Amino acid sequence: DAKTTQPPSMDCAEGRAANLPCNHSTISGNEYVYWYRQIHSQGPQYIIHGLKNNETNEMASLIITEDRKSSTLILPHATLRDTAVYYCIVRGYNQGGKLIFGQGTELSVKP
Amino acid sequence: DGGITQSPKYLFRKEGQNVTLSCEQNLNHDAMYWYRQDPGQGLRLIYYSQIVNDFQKGDIAEGYSVSREKKESFPLTVTSAQKNPTAFYLCASSTGQGEAEAFFGQGTRLTVV
Repeated sequence: DAKTTQPPSMDCAEGRAANLPCNHSTISGNEYVYWYRQIHSQGPQYIIHGLKNNETNEMASLIITEDRKSSTLILPHATLRDTAVYYCIVRGYNQGGKLIFGQGTELSVKP
Repeated sequence: DGGITQSPKYLFRKEGQNVTLSCEQNLNHDAMYWYRQDPGQGLRLIYYSQIVNDFQKGDIAEGYSVSREKKESFPLTVTSAQKNPTAFYLCASSTGQGEAEAFFGQGTRLTVV
């Protein structure tokens, strides 16, 4: 079973920030939080990951709570192309592509 | 361009036939993975290989077989023993080291009629 819980769907207005929450209350101390997204009928795309510090890259920001039991993926200026299913995954070190996918959050960005 | 190539994108087979899905990567990754995705669901791990000539079963290996004779190739055979083979199949690769992320191919949609 997936170790994470996400809302099944969210809407966001184009140009606004999209904040996607994820609960991972049973995360272990050596497990990372990864985010991937899947545009319809394509392979998943890696977005960002983190252990305990907040992380930012050219695609998104990841905010992890101090107790590490939840996190939020932030797309700062959502575009229509960001419409996809977003997966929050907890993964251990050296686990590569051994990922346990839940059902993710379907984000719809609307004009 | 470096990446993972899955072919073909769409595949049709008759019930009772074995079918082999291709996955090739030129990323020099040691680890490769096969996932299955059913409509509206997340991906589920079928088989994975962390090094050439070695592979392990994932969560749903029954009815599938794999081989890893070359570092860049990890073909998946869907056998006639797989009860519900119609699905979207995704291949991924990774260095398998540390925090390294996985890279996915574009998938093969298999329909068995």
